[in-house]
Amino acid sequence: KAGVTQTPRYLIKTRGQQVTLSCSPISGHRSVSWYQQTPGQGLQFLFEYFSETQRNKGNFPGRFSGRQFSNSRSEMNVSTLELGDSALYLCASSRRGGAEETQYFGPGTRLLVL
Amino acid sequence: GDSVTQMEGPVTLSEEAFLTINCTYTATGYPSLFWYVQYPGEGLQLLLKATKADDKGSNKGFEATYRKETTSFHLEKGSVQVSDSAVYFCALSPYNQGGKLIFGQGTELSVKP
Repeated sequence: KAGVTQTPRYLIKTRGQQVTLSCSPISGHRSVSWYQQTPGQGLQFLFEYFSETQRNKGNFPGRFSGRQFSNSRSEMNVSTLELGDSALYLCASSRRGGAEETQYFGPGTRLLVL
Repeated sequence: GDSVTQMEGPVTLSEEAFLTINCTYTATGYPSLFWYVQYPGEGLQLLLKATKADDKGSNKGFEATYRKETTSFHLEKGSVQVSDSAVYFCALSPYNQGGKLIFGQGTELSVKP
């Protein structure tokens, strides 16, 4: 069974640009969550999608947005990039997004903003 | 709001030493509790979990017990190996916000032969 895949794996952008990251969950999983990992702030929850609807949202500015497609694949968009957006972006999937469920993480997309 | 606090690292141990990584949480209701591990160059993976009070999660010789009275979920292993060197994250999933994990800061463990 294939794991969670994320593309691209590495990305370099400049301030002010926008970026779109993609996540394909494990087959049969309908919940996709996104996290930002930085040395200073650690792992922080961005948002969760379930059946194409955003169900939970973390404390990030509106520049961070996402969506989920009918096949459960999810994309995350960051507009007007800032230097502080440089981070490892992780997505995770689970069957229903239940609190007791294991979330399976992808390898991440490492974003560098210059 | 809900939060997780875990002991700061790095923690350096000799092979076969006893390991404890402390984790305490603040949460409303009854969260599920997790330990995730990140090996060098690899992604996050679940180590163990517990979904209700007094549950004990265990895997690969690691154990943690969900203690509601002390709001703790300490990770223990009786005899660590060099291959256990990694970063360990304690996390909680709020009972009414499924799909959301709140992580501690992570504890880096280095095991020397």
